[in-house]
Amino acid sequence: AQSVAQPEDQVNVAEGNPLTVKCTYSVSGNPYLFWYVQYPNRGLQFLLKYITGDNLVKGSYGFEAEFNKSQTSFHLKKPSALVSDSALYFCAVRALGSSGSARQLTFGSGTQLTVLP
Amino acid sequence: DSGVTQTPKHLITATGQRVTLRCSPRSGDLSVYWYQQSLDQGLQFLIQYYNGEERAKGNILERFSAQQFPDLHSELNLSSLELGDSALYFCASSPAGPYEQYFGPGTRLTVT
Repeated sequence: AQSVAQPEDQVNVAEGNPLTVKCTYSVSGNPYLFWYVQYPNRGLQFLLKYITGDNLVKGSYGFEAEFNKSQTSFHLKKPSALVSDSALYFCAVRALGSSGSARQLTFGSGTQLTVLP
Repeated sequence: DSGVTQTPKHLITATGQRVTLRCSPRSGDLSVYWYQQSLDQGLQFLIQYYNGEERAKGNILERFSAQQFPDLHSELNLSSLELGDSALYFCASSPAGPYEQYFGPGTRLTVT
């Protein structure tokens, strides 16, 4: 079985400061990792993904994430937070099944990010 | 705008009733996924269709069913509705392979 943990329900950061939203995963085989953001009353928006290659992946709106295989983590980061970054962030994982077909996407419980002006 | 459309945006109905939610995937995407988002359960995968065929089932209740039509749009049918079925229902689509899913704006279902 695959699972995702987002250990922090809430992260508060001051505008202009760096932000980190944590994610750890558990999966058999190679993981495909994703970050999504959800604004109030909106659907989830794709931010970035790790499939293979460079452990540091860059995504939309200045976000990046670092894949760490030994720590099974995929933390979301941004060097300088904006008030408009305040939203609900979801980490998700899917693994390649033994049959070669990708398994389903499993989402974490979400982390509410609040950027304070 | 993700390119995934969902109708209706809001739905209010009574317990015991049946409703149908509709989803049109992005142009070219063969896979459609349905998710339920509620405060207590989080984001739960319900079911996936690929090019008209059911591909995977998640935590979907027997009272719920879905289908994908030849034009690739999908419908999620919810019957014998209970108060606990009140939630946001999202549809997502993706191309074949381990690619990201693109989510629609959701349908907010309220069961009274």
